[in-house]
Amino acid sequence: SQQGEEDPQALSIQEGENATMNCSYKTSINNLQWYRQNSGRGLVHLILIRSNEREKHSGRLRVTLDTSKKSSSLLITASRAADTASYFCATAPWGGSTLGRLYFGRGTQLTVWP
Amino acid sequence: DTEVTQTPKHLVMGMTNKKSLKCEQHMGHRAMYWYKQKAKKPPELMFVYSYEKLSINESVPSRFSPECPNSSLLNLHLHALQPEDSALYLCASSQPRLAGGNTGELFFGEGSRLTVL
Repeated sequence: SQQGEEDPQALSIQEGENATMNCSYKTSINNLQWYRQNSGRGLVHLILIRSNEREKHSGRLRVTLDTSKKSSSLLITASRAADTASYFCATAPWGGSTLGRLYFGRGTQLTVWP
Repeated sequence: DTEVTQTPKHLVMGMTNKKSLKCEQHMGHRAMYWYKQKAKKPPELMFVYSYEKLSINESVPSRFSPECPNSSLLNLHLHALQPEDSALYLCASSQPRLAGGNTGELFFGEGSRLTVL
């Protein structure tokens, strides 16, 4: 399977705390993306980091990428109850035959308590 | 609000029925996708259309038949489905590739929840 593996599978924190989710993957990638999904809804794109980038920020989100370890992390700072959702990493592999493919990891269910 | 619209939101069908899921986007994207998602699982890629041509079929059973009538529309025709095909079916669109490369940001619809009896 080319799917990534997220860790932890579930994370429960209080409002105001930081949430860190990790993603490991198996193949060489062109980019790695993070998505959020509220229960039973569609996915919303959060951030994309290319293979030649190491860190990227967007608002309260910070993403790191370590291609040597084939891993990425998503940090949500000062979390809010509205951040409660499932978070997925998705990898876009290299190679002409793989263009258009985006493989999703198993996801982390984040619960933020008020 | 999503700019990718999927209909119907819910669909219940028997194993002998023929039905279709529809997806529409008006963002000028030239790549469109179908994903299948079972409960508490990640989305699984089914099909990719690029410039209205089928470019990827992830070995999906023939009881699922995709169609891309034009650059804004994507259909998924369903026939003789099995109960295990019950899932959330997600449509997405994107630009075909990033400058110099690969799959970029996908815009998803809210999904069509399919139940096969």
